[in-house]
Amino acid sequence: QVQLVQSGAEVKKPGASVKVSCKASGHTFTSFDINWVRQATGQGLEWMGWMNPNSGNRGYAEKFQGRVTITSNTSISTAYMELSSLRSEDTAVYYCARGPDNLDAFDVWGQGTMVTVSS
Amino acid sequence: SYEMTQPPSVSVSPGQTASITCSGDKLGKKYVCWYQQKPGQSPVLVIYRDTKRPSGIPERFSGSNSGNTATLTISGTQAMDEADYYCQAWDSTSWVFGGGTKLTVL
Repeated sequence: QVQLVQSGAEVKKPGASVKVSCKASGHTFTSFDINWVRQATGQGLEWMGWMNPNSGNRGYAEKFQGRVTITSNTSISTAYMELSSLRSEDTAVYYCARGPDNLDAFDVWGQGTMVTVSS
Repeated sequence: SYEMTQPPSVSVSPGQTASITCSGDKLGKKYVCWYQQKPGQSPVLVIYRDTKRPSGIPERFSGSNSGNTATLTISGTQAMDEADYYCQAWDSTSWVFGGGTKLTVL
């Protein structure tokens, strides 16, 4: 079945960077946009950015411009989200999600990756 | 930046109808989708393009969108529907989520 499987939990110090991976299976990786969404404990969903693995086109939420980079490796059907200059407020669960054009929505989500930023 | 507003909480009795609203400027001109999220789980898409249900989502979930308000309606609400619900829409260059609504079934 269609799945997005994310990398494991991370603990980082303030100022460091984190790179989370998202491996797709069960569908053609290059046929769908991949989005990244985060959720702090007890808080709502926050969209961070997207990319299309086929075209390489990407876009980022204004809040994260300059700090987030979304990339992909099509040979292994994997997308990545790297967030730099981490601060305690970046402690959250990070999700990848598939976004088919014909749905205008995210129909498949990864299981989430907990990133903790602490000194 | 575009904002969408949801009530923080909605309560409903089992078997009754729950309505969760999402408000935003001229929201009716955008496609709205809805997600259900239970504690410790990833969000699940329950409505897309205002009114459409993905395969596997029960018929008791329905959606509408007009003017400045989109609404998720759950008919014959069941205990298993207790969860957080989020609306989402695309605004020019960004996806935007509403703040979320906690649905309590009591």
